[in-house]
Amino acid sequence: GAVVSQHPSRVICKSGTSVKIECRSLDFQATTMFWYRQFPKQSLMLMATSNEGSKATYEQGVEKDKFLINHASLTLSTLTVTSAHPEDSSFYICSALDAAALPTAFFGQGTRLTVV
Amino acid sequence: AQSVTQLDSQVPVFEEAPVELRCNYSSSVSVYLFWYVQYPNQGLQLLLKYLSGSTLVKGINGFEAEFNKSQTSFHLRKPSVHLRDTAEYFCAVSETGGFKTIFGAGTRLFVKA
Repeated sequence: GAVVSQHPSRVICKSGTSVKIECRSLDFQATTMFWYRQFPKQSLMLMATSNEGSKATYEQGVEKDKFLINHASLTLSTLTVTSAHPEDSSFYICSALDAAALPTAFFGQGTRLTVV
Repeated sequence: AQSVTQLDSQVPVFEEAPVELRCNYSSSVSVYLFWYVQYPNQGLQLLLKYLSGSTLVKGINGFEAEFNKSQTSFHLRKPSVHLRDTAEYFCAVSETGGFKTIFGAGTRLFVKA
């Protein structure tokens, strides 16, 4: 099956700094990727839809300037949390669509972000 | 817009007993339905999906689900659970043609020895 890799799996950063999370489709080209946020013992909340070569579409209530998404190639999307604060600490998960396997989305293993 | 309701936040069950995890959805258009499993600090693994055709869908690890259009439900079942089935289970829906996936709140399945 299609494989999606997220990096890093865990990251700790200081308050006020920025951190970048990568989401890669390893064996397929993903024109569309999604970014989710998951708080402890809660569900996944869709943050944004990332389309290769165009601007991301953010869900209502998600700050575009805080969560920068770039999808510059067919196999890589990045989420940058800018000026991170402790309340940004969460589990971030990406998913990607494989055109050969629609509509199934394939998920990365997630990134645990802790802001101290 | 679509929504997903998972009726049980936690389901404790003894090993080798049957289990059903309930899921109801709401949408004004046709949808695809999914069940995912998540183990601690990991991403999501697809258990099964309903796209069209037969309403009874079989997935991995002995799980199955039945799509009921009139009741807008997609309940997940397993006839005999194992300790290793302890995990969080998410029901999800995406609109046909849109592919944006919306998740339910999740059900914690806890299998006891």
